[in-house]
Amino acid sequence: KAGVTQTPRYLIKTRGQQVTLSCSPISGHRSVSWYQQTPGQGLQFLFEYFSETQRNKGNFPGRFSGRQFSNSRSEMNVSTLELGDSALYLCASSWGQVQGYTFGSGTRLTVV
Amino acid sequence: KNEVEQSPQNLTAQEGEFITINCSYSVGISALHWLQQHPGGGIVSLFMLSSGKKKHGRLIATINIQEKHSSLHITASHPRDSAVYICAVDRQGAQKLVFGQGTRLTINP
Repeated sequence: KAGVTQTPRYLIKTRGQQVTLSCSPISGHRSVSWYQQTPGQGLQFLFEYFSETQRNKGNFPGRFSGRQFSNSRSEMNVSTLELGDSALYLCASSWGQVQGYTFGSGTRLTVV
Repeated sequence: KNEVEQSPQNLTAQEGEFITINCSYSVGISALHWLQQHPGGGIVSLFMLSSGKKKHGRLIATINIQEKHSSLHITASHPRDSAVYICAVDRQGAQKLVFGQGTRLTINP
């Protein structure tokens, strides 16, 4: 059974650019959530999608956005990148509310 | 004050020792999760708890809902247990994980 797949694994971008990260959940999982991990702030919730609808959003600026497709694959986009956006971005999938989560390996984004 | 607090932040022990990591939370929850993160970043879900106690191999997790407290125990610790252990809670009414700051565990041979 394939796990949660995140692409790309590593990414280097320049300030002001935008970036799109992808997450393919475990087959059958309809919920995909995104998290940012930095040394200073730890793990923080970005947003969660279920059946193509955003159900929850964390305290991040509007530069951070996401979407989910009909096959449950999800993308997150960060526009106008700042140095502080350098982080490990993780996604997790689950069957639905209050179910176990399976995490992807993450995308490590470096903004220079 | 963080909604989820873990202690200790760092823990170094000798192989074979019994390890306890604690987690306290201040919000209503639907479930509590213990996660393991190795260098390189990948996160593995160890336990999901809403009451009582769960055991998997040498790992035991307990939760006391009334006291809003959970513990993760590792028996007969081994160097391969070295990792960051993270407590996270599903807030009631929201599909949204809130994380503790993590406990960095180092087991020396």
